[in-house]
Formats: sequence, C-alpha cells, structure tokens
Amino acid sequence: LAKTTQPISMDSYEGQEVNITCSHNNIATNDYITWYQQFPSQGPRFIIQGYKTKVTNEVASLFIPADRKSSTLSLPRVSLSDTAVYYCLVGGTTGGFKTIFGAGTRLFVKA
Amino acid sequence: GAGVSQSPSNKVTEKGKDVELRCDPISGHTALYWYRQSLGQGLEFLIYFQGNSAPDKSGLPSDRFSAERTGGSVSTLTIQRTQQEDSAVYLCASTLRGGDTDTQYFGPGTRLTVL
Repeated sequence: LAKTTQPISMDSYEGQEVNITCSHNNIATNDYITWYQQFPSQGPRFIIQGYKTKVTNEVASLFIPADRKSSTLSLPRVSLSDTAVYYCLVGGTTGGFKTIFGAGTRLFVKA
Repeated sequence: GAGVSQSPSNKVTEKGKDVELRCDPISGHTALYWYRQSLGQGLEFLIYFQGNSAPDKSGLPSDRFSAERTGGSVSTLTIQRTQQEDSAVYLCASTLRGGDTDTQYFGPGTRLTVL
C-alpha cells in the first residue's frame, strides 16, 4: 500500500490559489489518487480523483506528473469556508481494499 | 436519498464496559469501512466489508474490537472492556462497489469517551 506524505499545515488568505502537494513514491500501477476534505466534527467528503495528468471539477483541480510519484491539489480562490483538513489517499484493488488516510494537511484560510 | 447514518452520535462509558456502535450505510452500497480518528489525528483504518467476502480485519487494534455486518447492510462495531485509549471518533463509510475508484461516503461519526 502506498504511503503518502503531505505538509502538516498551510496558511492562506481569501481569494488566493492554494496548492497542496502529496508525495506517494511507491504508488502502484493500479492505484488511483483521491483527495478528501474534512471539516471539524464531520466525516471526510470526496473532492477529486485522478490517475494521471490533470483532472478538474467544479471544486478543484488535481495535477499528476508523468511518474505519478506525487500529486497536487489546487483550490482556486479559497474562501474562509475552505478551512479544513485535506487528505491525500492512494489505494488499489488487490482483493480487499485497505485505505490509508495520512495525517492530512490543515489549511487555514484567513480574511 | 439518505446518507450514511451512525448511532449514537455520542457515547460516554466507563472503563471496562462494552460498547456497540452502529452504522447504516447508503442503501445498495456493497462495501463498508470503519475508521477511528483520535483528536487532531488522521483516520485509522479498522475494518472493511465487501459484499459476502470475508472482511479485512487487519486494522483492528486488538481482540477487544470486533465488527459484523448483517445482511450486507447495517454494521456494528463492538469494543469490549473499553480502555481510555479507545476514546476517539469512530467513522463509518460506504461505497457502491468497493475499490479505489469508488467514492467513500462518510457518516457523521460516533464520539466515544471512556472515563
């Protein structure tokens, strides 16, 4: 199972673009990369998922280089409500799926 | 439709007592996960159920922890002889099929406090 490494915390200001990078050096061929967001006292919720290159949805973009050993979650023009913990998750389907959430990145958005 | 629900939302118990935590997944979802989250920490995988297959119990921290999923739907996590270090939020998630491309839908969690 691929271990992930993320910065523990990041600070930003409203309106800025925020990029959170996750390292996953031993990612396997079948592994997808998924990001979740967690607000206090709530369960995590799905943000975005990708396998390679770039994926964009209404919330964020996910950039994955060719070697797939890292990925970057990009949040455009953050607001105060984006203050949360962001988890990078890498997993595969090998007959039973054990997911590993790392410690996540605590993003603080300031006014 | 209804999301994942968990009960109780809060549970306070005394050391040594047994507790049962319940998870109702989204209807039709075949896979179900239990996680534990200590204060300020990430999620710790506990157990995974997929359809009728044998569950992946590799994350259970000790034999005091057990879980079952009846009829492929509702799941209960049981902690016997609770210890103070068991205090945490216990989160349940379900997915449609299981596997890494499936979105996990989380419940609100049960906050367990062991005195």
